[in-house]
Amino acid sequence: SQTIHQWPATLVQPVGSPLSLECTVEGTSNPNLYWYRQAAGRGLQLLFYSVGIGQISSEVPQNLSASRPQDRQFILSSKKLLLSDSGFYLCAWSDGQVTEAFFGQGTRLTVV
Amino acid sequence: KNEVEQSPQNLTAQEGEFITINCSYSVGISALHWLQQHPGGGIVSLFMLSSGKKKHGRLIATINIQEKHSSLHITASHPRDSAVYICAVRSHSNYQLIWGAGTKLIIKP
Repeated sequence: SQTIHQWPATLVQPVGSPLSLECTVEGTSNPNLYWYRQAAGRGLQLLFYSVGIGQISSEVPQNLSASRPQDRQFILSSKKLLLSDSGFYLCAWSDGQVTEAFFGQGTRLTVV
Repeated sequence: KNEVEQSPQNLTAQEGEFITINCSYSVGISALHWLQQHPGGGIVSLFMLSSGKKKHGRLIATINIQEKHSSLHITASHPRDSAVYICAVRSHSNYQLIWGAGTKLIIKP
């Protein structure tokens, strides 16, 4: 069966420090992968999506970047965190052939 | 105007009440998702609909493709149903999910 792992669940980082959030998928191949962010009191916003290794599309300009070094691994990074980067980050995957979508448990990031 | 609109934004009800949350969208879709997000942030997929109606326990989801509208109903609501309920649609034109802003539901005992 397919599963998605996202870690860590919570993270407190100082302003200016780097960030690396990792998401891995099991039980499927060549998934579409997504990173979303939910700022406090707001809806989910698509940050990045990827249809294959090394293929990253960005939806909004920001202080973040994403990479897909392996087929089932999606990483969200920042070189220097800003206070405004605080929020809830969610990884998801879908099979491009069907319409189901699967979600990680999310990471609550607090930048202090 | 957002492509996915949910109403109401906030809903407080007494235990046992019948709850309805609405979702309207303006794009052509291949599927619509209802999701539940608890205070800790974790998201659970409740339903995926492309037509008709689905039922799981006390939860019922309906969709009217012609009217571009979906509803999520909760029967015999309970305080543990308190959460944010999110509607998301998958656009026909690409594989991306378009999210509603969510409905914050509080069920009082």
